[in-house]
Amino acid sequence: DAGVTQSPTHLIKTRGQHVTLRCSPISGHKSVSWYQQVLGQGPQFIFQYYEKEERGRGNFPDRFSARQFPNYSSELNVNALLLGDSALYLCASSRNRQVQETQYFGPGTRLLVL
Amino acid sequence: AQTVTQSQPEMSVQEAETVTLSCTYDTSESDYYLFWYKQPPSRQMILVIRQEAYKQQNATENRFSVNFQKAAKSFSLKISDSQLGDAAMYFCAYRSPWGDQGAQKLVFGQGTRLTINP
Repeated sequence: DAGVTQSPTHLIKTRGQHVTLRCSPISGHKSVSWYQQVLGQGPQFIFQYYEKEERGRGNFPDRFSARQFPNYSSELNVNALLLGDSALYLCASSRNRQVQETQYFGPGTRLLVL
Repeated sequence: AQTVTQSQPEMSVQEAETVTLSCTYDTSESDYYLFWYKQPPSRQMILVIRQEAYKQQNATENRFSVNFQKAAKSFSLKISDSQLGDAAMYFCAYRSPWGDQGAQKLVFGQGTRLTINP
C-alpha cells in the first residue's frame, strides 16, 4: 500500500509570495495533520483536519490556512511568505481522530524562501 | 502547555552495542501518550515505539525498548545491538488525550542525532 505522499518535494519562493503544499493520506485514512520543521528543531503542529473540518490548530499566524477535500487529501496554504517560513513541511495521516491512533508521516516538502 | 526536552543533541555508539537516548517531559495530565520517532536522512518520520501512560509495563519492539518513569516524567529509548541503519535523528513526542477539539497534536522534543560507528 502507498504511504502518505506529498508534493512538491522541494520548492523555492521569494518573500511575499504565496505557496500551496499538497498531501495525500494513506488509503482509508480520514485525518490529516500538518507540521512545520525548522532546520535543527523538532516538528511543530500547525493543523489537523478530519472529515473536511479543522479539528485543531497550533500557534501559527492567519497567513497559514489549510483545507481537506472529499477524497481526504489536503492542501496547506501560506500567504505573504517570510524568510522564517523556510522549513520542512510534514503531513501525517491517521485512520480517524481518536487519540490512540498512530499518525504516519509523509516525506515532507522542503520550502526555501529567499 | 506540555513540553518535551531531549538533552542530548548528539550521541554515537559502536555497531552492535547498546545506546540509550534520554527524554523528559512536563505535564500536569495523568493520561497521555508518548512516542519515539526516527527521522533518517530521507526525512520521513517513522514511528519506533509508543507508550500509553496508564500502562505500567514498558513498551518493547524488537531491539527497541523504553524505560518509562511516570513519576519522574522520563521516557528513555534503549536501542540494543545497534545497526548502521539505526543512524538517524530521534524525536521524543507527547500527545495529550485532551487536546484542543480532540486534535491528535504531537509535541516534539528537539531531537537527538544518533551516529553508528562501524
